[in-house]
Amino acid sequence: GDSVTQMEGPVTLSEEAFLTINCTYTATGYPSLFWYVQYPGEGLQLLLKATKADDKGSNKGFEATYRKETTSFHLEKGSVQVSDSAVYFCALSDQPSGTYKYIFGTGTRLKVLA
Amino acid sequence: NAGVTQTPKFQVLKTGQSMTLQCAQDMNHEYMSWYRQDPGMGLRLIHYSVGAGITDQGEVPNGYNVSRSTTEDFPLRLLSAAPSQTSVYFCASSRGTAKSSYNEQFFGPGTRLTVL
Repeated sequence: GDSVTQMEGPVTLSEEAFLTINCTYTATGYPSLFWYVQYPGEGLQLLLKATKADDKGSNKGFEATYRKETTSFHLEKGSVQVSDSAVYFCALSDQPSGTYKYIFGTGTRLKVLA
Repeated sequence: NAGVTQTPKFQVLKTGQSMTLQCAQDMNHEYMSWYRQDPGMGLRLIHYSVGAGITDQGEVPNGYNVSRSTTEDFPLRLLSAAPSQTSVYFCASSRGTAKSSYNEQFFGPGTRLTVL
């Protein structure tokens, strides 16, 4: 079945460091891919998305490229800020056999130190 | 737009009690869903609905019921609460129908439930 695997956290970085959070997926169909962010005490918010191979999603300095050949959608940011501290979820949506599926990874906690 | 609203924000139940978690959206979204979030397990889909009058089970439906009488509302009922249902519950909605798999989901702020 469909699944999403993302790197375990927590990830602790200093301000202005480079961030990579790995995400790989398995899917029976041709999924769309998402990154969501969850700030403390809040619900999830969409950070970026990509709907087909080689698409690059970007928002707030974060980027991720849909790599069909490696079934990956890694999240990157060139210079993190303290305000980026949150939990990041990789997700996919797929529709195998007509059933709508939306699957999340387990989340990666990011802590950025000043 | 209020987006997706959930009530209550916090709830403590005793084992065996029943309750309903409320969810409403004002975006005229067809697709609504309920998730539970547990440490180390991400979000797991409980039930979902692709439109008024249509519901289906997700990954972890046991112990929960849903109904969708209107486009706006999608309540989640716990029939007989158990400690294993202690979790944070999120309601989400999206514009997509069953044939539109790429629309983003909008999440409510969550309900933190403790079952003693």
